Amino acid sequence: DAKTTQPNSMESNEEEPVHLPCNHSTISGTDYIHWYRQLPSQGPEYVIHGLTSNVNNRMASLAIAEDRKSSTLILHRATLRDAAVYYCILRALGGTSYGKLTFGQGTILTVHP
Amino acid sequence: NAGVTQTPKFQVLKTGQSMTLQCAQDMNHEYMSWYRQDPGMGLRLIHYSVGAGITDQGEVPNGYNVSRSTTEDFPLRLLSAAPSQTSVYFCASSYSRGSDTQYFGPGTRLTVL
Repeated sequence: DAKTTQPNSMESNEEEPVHLPCNHSTISGTDYIHWYRQLPSQGPEYVIHGLTSNVNNRMASLAIAEDRKSSTLILHRATLRDAAVYYCILRALGGTSYGKLTFGQGTILTVHP
Repeated sequence: NAGVTQTPKFQVLKTGQSMTLQCAQDMNHEYMSWYRQDPGMGLRLIHYSVGAGITDQGEVPNGYNVSRSTTEDFPLRLLSAAPSQTSVYFCASSYSRGSDTQYFGPGTRLTVL
């Protein structure tokens, strides 16, 4: 399975934008880039996903490099409720790993008031 | 909709005891899965099911059994609990194996003494 690399932790101030990076240099053509987050003492929650083009939804934006070897999750205005562990996941839509989510250690985001 | 529900929230077992972790969803999802999360680590896939009557092994299946007799329920059985199974267990579901979004339950925190 293709792997992702994320910083262990990042910090931000409330109301400021946050850019969470993810490297995935071994990504294959059938891998989608998914982001989930896990708030303290809760199960993971879907944030956003994309294949090649940048994506926006009500929670965040996803910027994908042209060569797809890296991506960035953008929280436009961080709030205290955004403090969580953010997981960047490559999800295969083919082969034996079809549909599976493989979680790494993620990035712990701390948001300061 | 209640979404994905898990019971119990907490459980303490002695080594060798058996128990069943319950997972139910009311979204008519075909795909359900079980993950475990150990301290400081991401989630690891234990077992999954693509529909009633169909189950398959994930990354760490040893020591766990599953069955899927209905679309709604996907119980996880520990036949003889071991301290190494101390973990937080999450159940997840999605419309299909290839669905963009998986919905996670709140988790069951299991301690095996």
